[in-house]
Amino acid sequence: SQTIHQWPATLVQPVGSPLSLECTVEGTSNPNLYWYRQAAGRGLQLLFYSVGIGQISSEVPQNLSASRPQDRQFILSSKKLLLSDSGFYLCAWKLRQGATEAFFGQGTRLTVV
Amino acid sequence: DAKTTQPPSMDCAEGRAANLPCNHSTISGNEYVYWYRQIHSQGPQYIIHGLKNNETNEMASLIITEDRKSSTLILPHATLRDTAVYYCIVVSLRGGTARQLTFGSGTQLTVLP
Repeated sequence: SQTIHQWPATLVQPVGSPLSLECTVEGTSNPNLYWYRQAAGRGLQLLFYSVGIGQISSEVPQNLSASRPQDRQFILSSKKLLLSDSGFYLCAWKLRQGATEAFFGQGTRLTVV
Repeated sequence: DAKTTQPPSMDCAEGRAANLPCNHSTISGNEYVYWYRQIHSQGPQYIIHGLKNNETNEMASLIITEDRKSSTLILPHATLRDTAVYYCIVVSLRGGTARQLTFGSGTQLTVLP
């Protein structure tokens, strides 16, 4: 069966520090991968999506970047965190082909202090 | 991708049917309607999806109007555990391939005892 791993579950980082959030998927190949951010009380904002290794599409210009070094690994990074980067970060995957559903990880709650 | 419009909040009595509306008046022929829900501080969970026909599964029913410009998610017997934010999204399949998954603000459904 397919599973998605996202860690850490919670993270407190000082302003100006770097960030690396990792997401890995098991049990599938060539998935579409997604990073979302959710501010408190708000909806899901799509940050990045990837349809293949090294292929990253950015939806919102910001302080963050994403990379996909392997087929089932998606990394969200920042060189210098801002207070406004605080939020709930979610990774998701979906089969590239067909009208199938997306599966979400359990999220990382990031607090920048 | 077509945008969706949902009411920000709704209440429903426990044991009654919850009917959640979604407007997607700009939907095109290759776009599917998907519903997800997000319980507080968790990743979204897939509920159901459809293209033209009404759909039913163990969780819910999806009623899509004949012109496909709106849909309704029906939870037939709402329980307190159905309290969540419900997202209606439209997913475009170009050549059978999906790319972005863009979520709006959703509807906060509160099931009342």
